[in-house]
Amino acid sequence: EAQVTQNPRYLITVTGKKLTVTCSQNMNHEYMSWYRQDPGLGLRQIYYSMNVEVTDKGDVPEGYKVSRKEKRNFPLILESPSPNQTSLYFCASSSRRITDTQYFGPGTRLTVL
Amino acid sequence: DAKTTQPPSMDCAEGRAANLPCNHSTISGNEYVYWYRQIHSQGPQYIIHGLKNNETNEMASLIITEDRKSSTLILPHATLRDTAVYYCIVRAPNFGNEKLTFGTGTRLTIIP
Repeated sequence: EAQVTQNPRYLITVTGKKLTVTCSQNMNHEYMSWYRQDPGLGLRQIYYSMNVEVTDKGDVPEGYKVSRKEKRNFPLILESPSPNQTSLYFCASSSRRITDTQYFGPGTRLTVL
Repeated sequence: DAKTTQPPSMDCAEGRAANLPCNHSTISGNEYVYWYRQIHSQGPQYIIHGLKNNETNEMASLIITEDRKSSTLILPHATLRDTAVYYCIVRAPNFGNEKLTFGTGTRLTIIP
């Protein structure tokens, strides 16, 4: 089954404790992206990657890092989480054909105390 | 990408057709109309997309007006599981950042 998986699905942590949210897709997609969703602000893009070792900032990259060492994985790293990074996070992927659709993961709900 | 306007909320009786409108009066010739939905706090789910012809798939139909300034998503036989926020997105093909810009969408509630 074609899917995007994220782990963990729920996480409560404390300020400053480094964490990684993993994202993996099994569709051999070139493009992957991270979004965060906050009430009243909708979904905002954090980072994206057009292929292995090619990443770039989205609209709200501050406080986040990403890496793309393998095509299937695109982890989101919070080196020093702060309470304003409490949010619902989604990973997405697509094959980069002209009108290809994007597949989203189930989401990771992060709370930073 | 062109701006879209959708009603904030709609109700539909279970078993009836749900018709969700979207206005995109500033759409450009190479921009496609996409529909996604988000059920509760799950990841957005692709529904359908089109350029200028009407489209149908197993989930829905998309009707685009001849001038392409508006479109309607039709869920032919709505069920309770179709209760969700529906997003109409207009964007041109992009081989760079394929960012989707989600607006506020239409919150569709299916009434038993």
